[in-house]
Formats: sequence, C-alpha cells, structure tokens
Amino acid sequence: GEDVEQSLFLSVREGDSSVINCTYTDSSSTYLYWYKQEPGAGLQLLTYIFSNMDMKQDQRLTVLLNKKDKHLSLRIADTQTGDSAIYFCAETSNFGNEKLTFGTGTRLTIIP
Amino acid sequence: DTEVTQTPKHLVMGMTNKKSLKCEQHMGHRAMYWYKQKAKKPPELMFVYSYEKLSINESVPSRFSPECPNSSLLNLHLHALQPEDSALYLCASSQEDRTGYGYTFGSGTRLTVV
Repeated sequence: GEDVEQSLFLSVREGDSSVINCTYTDSSSTYLYWYKQEPGAGLQLLTYIFSNMDMKQDQRLTVLLNKKDKHLSLRIADTQTGDSAIYFCAETSNFGNEKLTFGTGTRLTIIP
Repeated sequence: DTEVTQTPKHLVMGMTNKKSLKCEQHMGHRAMYWYKQKAKKPPELMFVYSYEKLSINESVPSRFSPECPNSSLLNLHLHALQPEDSALYLCASSQEDRTGYGYTFGSGTRLTVV
C-alpha cells in the first residue's frame, strides 16, 4: 500500500526559510499536495504539483519534486509567526474520486 | 462559493444517542468524502461518494452510516458510538476532472462521545 513519511517537528527562526520534506513509496503517485492545518481547524490547500513537473513556485512557497527518489519538499520563504501549523503532504494516483493518502504531518514552530 | 461547510462545529453525544453530521458544497464537485482525524494524526479516509453513489468504504464500522441526498449534500449518521470514536470529522469534495485544484476540505466537526 501507499506510505507517505514526514519528519514530525521543525523549528525555524522568524524570517528564515523553512523546508519541510516528504517521501512517498507509491510510484504511481500522480498528484501531490501540501495542506496546512492550524490548531482546531480543518485543512487548507496550500499548493499542489503534478508528477510531470519538478518545481512549482507560488509567492513564498516553492515545491520541489524528485520523482526518481520519490521526494517532495515545501520551502516557505521569510517564515512568519502565522506559518506555525502542521503541514501535511498528500498524494493520489488518480484525480477525482480516489483516496488521498496523507503523510504523518510536520509541526512547524517559529522561534521569535 | 469555494467552500465546504460542515455543521455542527462541535458535538457531544452519549453512546446511546443518534446524531448526524452535515456537509454542503456548491462548487459543482461530484466527489465527496468523509475523513476521520484523531489528535496529532493525519486524516484517514472513511467514505467516498462519486456522483451520489458510494464508491469507497474503508471498512468503517456500521455505527457510521453515510448518505448523499444530492450532489451538494453529504451526511454522516452516527449511532451507538464508542468513546474511541471521538475525533475531528472532516468532509471534503473534489472535481472529477483534472482542471481543479485538488480536494477542498471543510473545517470539520469535533465530536466527543461520552
């Protein structure tokens, strides 16, 4: 079955860049997502990338995909206190009514 | 409207109660989902509805009963739950084609079973 792994914790100083990493095992993963979850809240879609891409940039967010190593990363530039949250990567091998498999989540803590 | 709306936001129920969770979206998405999220864990898929038909049931106990009355609404009927069923229940929707932006999640219903 699918397996998606992330480091559990990351601490970053305010203003620095944060890099959150994710590895997955399903070679048929076609669509990969990053979600943000603040305490007591639902999931907010941050960005996504298709498997035929290796990079996507959206304002402060940069997603890198190494399909050969099955490694996905999310870089947040100029990290702010409002970026404190749990970040989940997720993958699906199809787009539509298929199962979205989540990583274990990375709790990002911002140090003032 | 680009949101998935879930009600209620919080629910406390006894083990003999019957209650329902509701989810609504008006984005024209034809797939809708229920996920369960325990504290400090990732969401786990429970059910998928595609074009108002149940397409995936991840071996969920029968005390959870989903219903999709129409393409905009998704319910989760609860009966005879156990304390270990306490969790955040998330509803999501997605488009069936590849032009969309992924899965849109609601803010969830935090359920406590006493």
